[in-house]
Amino acid sequence: DQQVKQNSPSLSVQEGRISILNCDYTNSMFDYFLWYKKYPAEGPTFLISISSIKDKNEDGRFTVFLNKSAKHLSLHIVPSQPGDSAVYFCAAIRTGNNRKLIWGLGTSLAVNP
Amino acid sequence: DTEVTQTPKHLVMGMTNKKSLKCEQHMGHRAMYWYKQKAKKPPELMFVYSYEKLSINESVPSRFSPECPNSSLLNLHLHALQPEDSALYLCASSQGASSHTQYFGPGTRLTVL
Repeated sequence: DQQVKQNSPSLSVQEGRISILNCDYTNSMFDYFLWYKKYPAEGPTFLISISSIKDKNEDGRFTVFLNKSAKHLSLHIVPSQPGDSAVYFCAAIRTGNNRKLIWGLGTSLAVNP
Repeated sequence: DTEVTQTPKHLVMGMTNKKSLKCEQHMGHRAMYWYKQKAKKPPELMFVYSYEKLSINESVPSRFSPECPNSSLLNLHLHALQPEDSALYLCASSQGASSHTQYFGPGTRLTVL
């Protein structure tokens, strides 16, 4: 049962344009959502997170939007750069002890020059 | 500084070998994690240490044996592995087991022949 879903396995965007990566979840008990970026053969790099009590968090070129009623979040990258080409994982954490990250399957982003 | 270091970067071992993976962080984090990642999949949690005590074992086979000698170090001892254990092994840390952000190391690429 996939509690965190990234329905687009891949996305291709032109340099300078906006990249929008989407994530849906099913468990209303999640209280934090995170985005990680991963290059091949490297560990995931933490990008940005959002608490379930907020609807937007911004950090430089990265903005995450959360729509709790739709159980949907999105990561916006503006402007997109070729170095942003990587796999982006959405992850969620549930309230309680021993907080375990629940991961989506990832979206591979290609930013074309 | 959000650096987690892992050694070695690459490891090739036979099914009868014994080897160890090492992880170190100097961020004062009190929770450390081992993950396994196969290509095109999200990281899969193996073990969680909280305040140097094992708090989660995700039903990992006994051929993987974790050890936390102190709050900065985490080892993963490997013995009698199978070829299907070949993967990227990732270490991560967080301020505590209840913290929502985990910081990952670069990983050890393990190949079992």
